[in-house]
Amino acid sequence: QVQLQESGPGLVKPSETLSLTCSVSGGSISSYYWSWIRQPPGKGLEWIGYIYDNGRTTYNPSLKSRVTISVDTSKNQFSLRLSSVTAADTAVYYCARTRGIGAETDYWGQGTLVTVSS
Amino acid sequence: SYVLTQPPSVSVAPGKTARITCGGDNIGSKSVHWYQQKPGQAPVLVIYYDSDRPSGIPERFSGSNSGNTATLTISRVEAGDEADYYCQVWYTSSDPLYVFGTGTKVTVL
Repeated sequence: QVQLQESGPGLVKPSETLSLTCSVSGGSISSYYWSWIRQPPGKGLEWIGYIYDNGRTTYNPSLKSRVTISVDTSKNQFSLRLSSVTAADTAVYYCARTRGIGAETDYWGQGTLVTVSS
Repeated sequence: SYVLTQPPSVSVAPGKTARITCGGDNIGSKSVHWYQQKPGQAPVLVIYYDSDRPSGIPERFSGSNSGNTATLTISRVEAGDEADYYCQVWYTSSDPLYVFGTGTKVTVL
């Protein structure tokens, strides 16, 4: 059973960079796409982007200028960096496994709340 | 950009059928995935590729997709089905991305 766990600071100051890591256990990070999805409090889901095991990325155009997703296959981890954050970036951030381009997302982490505030 | 519109809420009595729609321009030409999210929990995949059901998801959950509307149907609704439901598609354009629907709160009366 694949399990994902997000880790990182729960509080980030405005204009700084949000950094989160997702650790994958119970399966290899190879041959799948690994996504970041967020959900502002009380609102809907927003796809941030994903990365394949070879490092190829696709980002949401609305966030593209501020997002970097990377992967470390040796550690079975992938990471999210979101720069120049504002209060609008306050959300629960989920890491998840996506089975392919356009495919379903079948395993999700529990999510971690990141608050942007001074 | 591509917009997926869902009704904000659907109410249904136990044992009855709930239908949750997801409207989008020519959505019938795309593959739709559906997720269930209970309060304080991560989303769970309930339907993928329009009508396929992951293992462990009851047969009561089914999906269809045609024209401008995709539909998630929950038959013989139970109290445990009360949750938010989101549709999702892969929108292919010059900058492809996943788009989620606006979400529907299903209330079991």
